[in-house]
Amino acid sequence: DTGVSQNPRHKITKRGQNVTFRCDPISEHNRLYWYRQTLGQGPEFLTYFQNEAQLEKSRLLSDRFSAERPKGSFSTLEIQRTEQGDSAMYLCASSRAGGNEQFFGPGTRLTVL
Amino acid sequence: AQSVTQPDIHITVSEGASLELRCNYSYGATPYLFWYVQSPGQGLQLLLKYFSGDTLVQGIKGFEAEFKRSQSSFNLRKPSVHWSDAAEYFCAVGGLTGGGNKLTFGTGTQLKVEL
Repeated sequence: DTGVSQNPRHKITKRGQNVTFRCDPISEHNRLYWYRQTLGQGPEFLTYFQNEAQLEKSRLLSDRFSAERPKGSFSTLEIQRTEQGDSAMYLCASSRAGGNEQFFGPGTRLTVL
Repeated sequence: AQSVTQPDIHITVSEGASLELRCNYSYGATPYLFWYVQSPGQGLQLLLKYFSGDTLVQGIKGFEAEFKRSQSSFNLRKPSVHWSDAAEYFCAVGGLTGGGNKLTFGTGTQLKVEL
């Protein structure tokens, strides 16, 4: 069990650029979650996958955000035309189907200049 | 809609003193409740969880929490705090939504430990 990994750990970009983050869940976990955490706040749910199917999306996930999990293993979160308000920590978590305990990765900290 | 309130933004305790962090939740059914800890720049580590059964749950690092349905509370306690416990603590509530288990977090309590 190597835990949930996320890359990159830090990303600095200029407003208007596109960015992509990757999450590798724990290998036997078929549920994968994305959360966003801004300074001074708790994580907020963005979306989740069961295997390759994206089953729920938050209204926080605007049209500029897209998440994929093409083979039911790793997932990517892309933000197009980044805005300064996108600056946050993006957290990924995974769990077993039917399991209620989510294991979190270290996060990707995005700074939009 | 589910929600979590952590009324204390900051708490300072002396090392060796006892600790209680408050958490109140709103959820339409039987909730799944969690406490996570986050050190600076890090992800979240699960301290303990409550799904059902005994309302007093034990977790890692000497933490415990008590589920009180009548008060919609799930307060975190530790009898003797260590300097390494300084971190931010998040309470979360989850449940079965569309077959998943989306977590709703509180805004967190920042714990400072004085030596």
